[in-house]
Amino acid sequence: AQKITQTQPGMFVQEKEAVTLDCTYDTSDPSYGLFWYKQPSSGEMIFLIYQGSYDQQNATEGRYSLNFQKARKSANLVISASQLGDSAMYFCAMREGRGGGSQGNLIFGKGTKLSVKP
Amino acid sequence: NAGVTQTPKFRILKIGQSMTLQCTQDMNHNYMYWYRQDPGMGLKLIYYSVGAGITDKGEVPNGYNVSRSTTEDFPLRLELAAPSQTSVYFCATNTGANVLTFGAGSRLTVL
Repeated sequence: AQKITQTQPGMFVQEKEAVTLDCTYDTSDPSYGLFWYKQPSSGEMIFLIYQGSYDQQNATEGRYSLNFQKARKSANLVISASQLGDSAMYFCAMREGRGGGSQGNLIFGKGTKLSVKP
Repeated sequence: NAGVTQTPKFRILKIGQSMTLQCTQDMNHNYMYWYRQDPGMGLKLIYYSVGAGITDKGEVPNGYNVSRSTTEDFPLRLELAAPSQTSVYFCATNTGANVLTFGAGSRLTVL
């Protein structure tokens, strides 16, 4: 079974509008972390936002926010006021457990390609 | 401060050849990782290291070897390259606060 599921292969959004990218996860570990990374066409991986399983509040980083619904095991990324530079692949990822070498053992989804239209 | 540096950026190998992908970080971090990204897919962990002299397998280690003789360097060795190893390879280090910093990637094609 997939541990990270991103059901939207591609999304379009109008410039300046908000967009939600979906991510559901599957784990039995009570301690886990959820991440979103951006991959522009140039290929690098850029960290956007992190949510810990015990965090009470939804994470926010500038125009990015993470809609964390623990009971539904979803961690959707919301991008407000989309810009042309937001066009990229977006990957949801999960880390199970905490501490030690497992800190960076991320399980990635297949990604969502976001295209921002002018 | 260059962060995570990977070389080469591009390489074409013939089936059966061997090569080493180099990864260097200048942030003195203990944790380092090698991931591969196949076309249209997310990244998968190949190997990781929690410090000099300590390495462990990730999800897809077959066909690869690693070593960690220093904190700075974490090379990935491909022995007997196969077409299935055609991929983009990313090295990363854990910079703390739950953030992985990735190198720019190395695109490998095996023909």
